[in-house]
Amino acid sequence: AQKVTQAQTEISVVEKEDVTLDCVYETRDTTYYLFWYKQPPSGELVFLIRRNSFDEQNEISGRYSWNFQKSTSSFNFTITASQVVDSAVYFCALSEAFISSGSARQLTFGSGTQLTVLP
Amino acid sequence: DVKVTQSSRYLVKRTGEKVFLECVQDMDHENMFWYRQDPGLGLRLIYFSYDVKMKEKGDIPEGYSVSREKKERFSLILESASTNQTSMYLCASSLTSGRAGEQYFGPGTRLTVT
Repeated sequence: AQKVTQAQTEISVVEKEDVTLDCVYETRDTTYYLFWYKQPPSGELVFLIRRNSFDEQNEISGRYSWNFQKSTSSFNFTITASQVVDSAVYFCALSEAFISSGSARQLTFGSGTQLTVLP
Repeated sequence: DVKVTQSSRYLVKRTGEKVFLECVQDMDHENMFWYRQDPGLGLRLIYFSYDVKMKEKGDIPEGYSVSREKKERFSLILESASTNQTSMYLCASSLTSGRAGEQYFGPGTRLTVT
């Protein structure tokens, strides 16, 4: 069974601070995908990133960066120089890489981290 | 851009009522999903569908049913609403091939059962 743990329920930072959101996962699969989604107050989840389990290179996109460490089963997300618009709930998710025909690739979500960035 | 729409943003129903939540996607995705979101529990999968008229139970199907008569539309049905079904309901869709399961979400329906 797959499991995703986001131990940080809520984080509050002041604008311009850096913040890291933790994600730890469990899976028996050797190949899998990891995701981060953002849910702003409007409610719609927005896809941020997908990472293959065989690609451990860290990724940077503007103020966002992701640190994938297979050895510790972690996929952490860092926002540099946070802004008020970053305030949202962030979800980490995991999916299997291979699915049988007549099925769909499902996502297992963590419980989410509420990030509040104060002005 | 993929667009997933849900019929209502807010809904208030009484205990015992039959409730329909509708979801429509416009990108010809094979797969559609229904989740409920509750504080501290994240998103939990209720049902999903990988083709027209095909459905599979997710982690918490009890008290729910679904219908997919057309590829673009996926309905969630609460046969007899109960107060413990008060929640945020999110619909999503995805392609079977490509983009490794990336799901596109609708804005959600906040259902209150009184």
